[in-house]
Amino acid sequence: EPEVTQTPSHQVTQMGQEVILRCVPISNHLYFYWYRQILGQKVEFLVSFYNNEISEKSEIFDDQFSVERPDGSNFTLKIRSTKLEDSAMYFCASSETVYWTSTYEQYFGPGTRLTVT
Amino acid sequence: ELKVEQNPLFLSMQEGKNYTIYCNYSTTSDRLYWYRQDPGKSLESLFVLLSNGAVKQEGRLMASLDTKARLSTLHITAAVHDLSATYFCAVPSNFGNEKLTFGTGTRLTIIP
Repeated sequence: EPEVTQTPSHQVTQMGQEVILRCVPISNHLYFYWYRQILGQKVEFLVSFYNNEISEKSEIFDDQFSVERPDGSNFTLKIRSTKLEDSAMYFCASSETVYWTSTYEQYFGPGTRLTVT
Repeated sequence: ELKVEQNPLFLSMQEGKNYTIYCNYSTTSDRLYWYRQDPGKSLESLFVLLSNGAVKQEGRLMASLDTKARLSTLHITAAVHDLSATYFCAVPSNFGNEKLTFGTGTRLTIIP
């Protein structure tokens, strides 16, 4: 069964460093998302991406964040200068775009745990 | 702004008992999703509810959606230890492939 994959599973970085989190969405999906979950809290939307551009972003997704689809399979989230409060689990998700039959269900990857020290 | 509230936040129940988790949301939506999350793990899709009155059942879990009341319920029947997890409801903001707003989560602990 197709699944969303993410690398690395755990990333430790120092405050102020840049990190890139990688995701491979399900191959026939066209909508991609990043969410984050601070430990013990709910899941929060960061950004959605379609047709090579951001379709929506949250207030959390400030100028320190960027997303890219560098090739036909990867989808990346970059944090330019990490802060302590960026420590969280980051989930990538994808959904298919078939307007007349789709459930629009989002399939989530296993997550990357980012620890900023 | 869409708000999604779940209650209770924490639920400790004995094996064999029944209970219901509630998910209320603040703006119109015709779809709702339920996810399960084990500690340190990803979100596992449980139910996709696509219309008013939708009811889905899988094993000891049953989910329903009332779009007029903006309410979904997740009912647990004869709980077993394996159901211990955190359960989230999630509501899309608009029609189509839009962002999900998640509820606060219900941490369910089943006690033998």
